Amino acid sequence: GDSVTQMEGPVTLSEEAFLTINCTYTATGYPSLFWYVQYPGEGLQLLLKATKADDKGSNKGFEATYRKETTSFHLEKGSVQVSDSAVYFCALSDAYSSASKIIFGSGTRLSIRP
Amino acid sequence: DVKVTQSSRYLVKRTGEKVFLECVQDMDHENMFWYRQDPGLGLRLIYFSYDVKMKEKGDIPEGYSVSREKKERFSLILESASTNQTSMYLCASSTGQGWGNEQFFGPGTRLTVL
Repeated sequence: GDSVTQMEGPVTLSEEAFLTINCTYTATGYPSLFWYVQYPGEGLQLLLKATKADDKGSNKGFEATYRKETTSFHLEKGSVQVSDSAVYFCALSDAYSSASKIIFGSGTRLSIRP
Repeated sequence: DVKVTQSSRYLVKRTGEKVFLECVQDMDHENMFWYRQDPGLGLRLIYFSYDVKMKEKGDIPEGYSVSREKKERFSLILESASTNQTSMYLCASSTGQGWGNEQFFGPGTRLTVL
C-alpha cells in the first residue's frame, strides 16, 4: 500500500542554519504531496503542497519539489528561525483513494536554538 | 476564516466510561476524519466519513465508533474507554470536490483515561 517515510528526529539546529528534512514515498497512483506543520499545543496546518511531478510548493520560506524519479519531496529552508520549532509531517493523497484520504509520515520534531 | 473546532482541549475519563468527542466544521466539507496521534507513530486514521450518515473504517477502528447525523458534525465515540486509548485525538475535514485535497485540522483533544 501507499506509504511515506521521513527522517527521524529530533533535529536540532542553530538559528539561521540551513534545514533539510528528507521525505520519500511509495504510491501506486499519482499522488498529491504535502508538508504539514504542528506547532506546540495546536493541530496540524498545511505548510505547502505539490500536485504533480516537478511542481515546487513554497510557503514562509520553506520549499519542497515533487521528484517523481526519486519518489521524494524533501523540505528545505535556507535560514531557520526559533519560531520554526515544531513537528513537520510529510504526507500524500492518492488520486484513487476514497474521500481523498491522506497518509502521513511519522513526523520530524525540529528544535531551533537561538 | 475556515475553522474546525473540537469540543474539548483536555478530557479526563475513567476506564469503562462512554466518551464522546465532537467535531464541527464550518466549511461545508463533505469529508471528515478522526485520527489519533501518539509519539513515534504519527497520525493513524480511526474512521472517516464522506457524506452524512456514511462512514468507513480507517486503520485502527477497534474500540471506536462514529456518528455523522449532520454534514458539519462528526462525533467519535469510545464505547468503553480503556487506558490504551489515552492519546491526542485530531479531527479534520476536506472538500469532496476533485482529488488530492488538503485536510483542515482542529486543535485536538488530549484524552486521558485513568
